[in-house]
Amino acid sequence: SQTIHQWPATLVQPVGSPLSLECTVEGTSNPNLYWYRQAAGRGLQLLFYSVGIGQISSEVPQNLSASRPQDRQFILSSKKLLLSDSGFYLCAWSGGKGNTEAFFGQGTRLTVV
Amino acid sequence: GQQLNQSPQSMFIQEGEDVSMNCTSSSIFNTWLWYKQDPGEGPVLLIALYKAGELTSNGRLTAQFGITRKDSFLNISASIPSDVGIYFCAGIRGQGGKLIFGQGTELSVKP
Repeated sequence: SQTIHQWPATLVQPVGSPLSLECTVEGTSNPNLYWYRQAAGRGLQLLFYSVGIGQISSEVPQNLSASRPQDRQFILSSKKLLLSDSGFYLCAWSGGKGNTEAFFGQGTRLTVV
Repeated sequence: GQQLNQSPQSMFIQEGEDVSMNCTSSSIFNTWLWYKQDPGEGPVLLIALYKAGELTSNGRLTAQFGITRKDSFLNISASIPSDVGIYFCAGIRGQGGKLIFGQGTELSVKP
């Protein structure tokens, strides 16, 4: 069966520090991968999605970047965090072909102080 | 850009009541999904809809994919306290599989 792992679960970082959140998927190959941000417990904003290794689509201009160094690994990064980067970050995967359902990780609560 | 309009934003109901929420869009979607999110957790998939007009049930939950492919609804029958949470609709459009979410419906159930 497929599983998705996202870590860390919580993170407190100072303004200006770098960020790296990692997401890995097991039990499937060539998935679509997604990073979402959720502010104040409502509304999932799509940040990045990827249909393959090295293929990243950015949905909104922001202080973040994403990379997909391996088929089932998706990384969310920032060189210098802003206070406004605080939020709940969610990684998700779906089947790579066609329009199939997506499954989420447990999320990372990021607080920038 | 693509948007899903979900309503209502919140609902306060008595245990045992039925609940209905819906999503609409100006764009056609190929797949509609309904999720539930508990506080501090990732959303969990409840129902997936793949064909226009499709009506699918999952226990006390029923969802339908609108004929026009621009809307979907979710019904919860005989609500119980554990139904509390935020419900999201989501749509997939195009072969790339980009998943777009509605704004969520926060459900509160009074015992």
